[in-house]
Amino acid sequence: EVQLQQSGAELVKPGASVKLSCKTSGYTFSNYYMSWLKQMPGQNIEWIGNIYGGNGGTGYNQKFKGKATLTVDKSSSTAYMDLSSLTSEDSAVYFCARLITIAAPRFDYWGQGVMVTVSS
Amino acid sequence: DVVMTQTPVSLSVSLGGQVSISCRSSQSLVHNNGNTYLSWYLQKPGQSPQLLIYKVSNRFSGISDRFSGSGSGTDFTLKISRVEPDDLGVYYCGQGTQYPWTFGGGTKLELK
Repeated sequence: EVQLQQSGAELVKPGASVKLSCKTSGYTFSNYYMSWLKQMPGQNIEWIGNIYGGNGGTGYNQKFKGKATLTVDKSSSTAYMDLSSLTSEDSAVYFCARLITIAAPRFDYWGQGVMVTVSS
Repeated sequence: DVVMTQTPVSLSVSLGGQVSISCRSSQSLVHNNGNTYLSWYLQKPGQSPQLLIYKVSNRFSGISDRFSGSGSGTDFTLKISRVEPDDLGVYYCGQGTQYPWTFGGGTKLELK
């Protein structure tokens, strides 16, 4: 069974950084891309970027370049997203989602989401 | 960026009824390779989104045939027949044809 388990909720101060994790199981991590997506309260979903589990190759939404950095640890089948210079606009739920294929993109399995709250 | 516009924003339905949700894109979603990468997702209350339909009309594994997708170019529709309680939540369309990939604003399906 494919599972994506995300780390717990974060409360961070403005200007700080946070690293979110997405630990996977039930499939060959290095054969798939992982995407990260943002959902602000009551709002629609934004795609942040993708990272390939095999070689760590990345692709970003221009809007999130400089804000988000995606990495992977193949040894633990875990994907990470660093968010830097946090502001209130970064308060949101962040999802990791497996990308079936970058050539025919769709997100077939999602993590449970992690709430990031930026507040002093 | 491709703007995805969903209508209506909310929808009330009786159990057993049928509903349609519209999704329109600001640009054609036909990829250079001839495929159209339009997907539909359902986000149930308190849960993460789940994939229902991909490439306009293909049901994802395990998805009931009560869900059907159609459309082409810039105009797409999700139909749900014989609505069940487990179908309630927010439906999103999403496009993967052009970067950045984008989603519609969502349509909330509620019980009448």
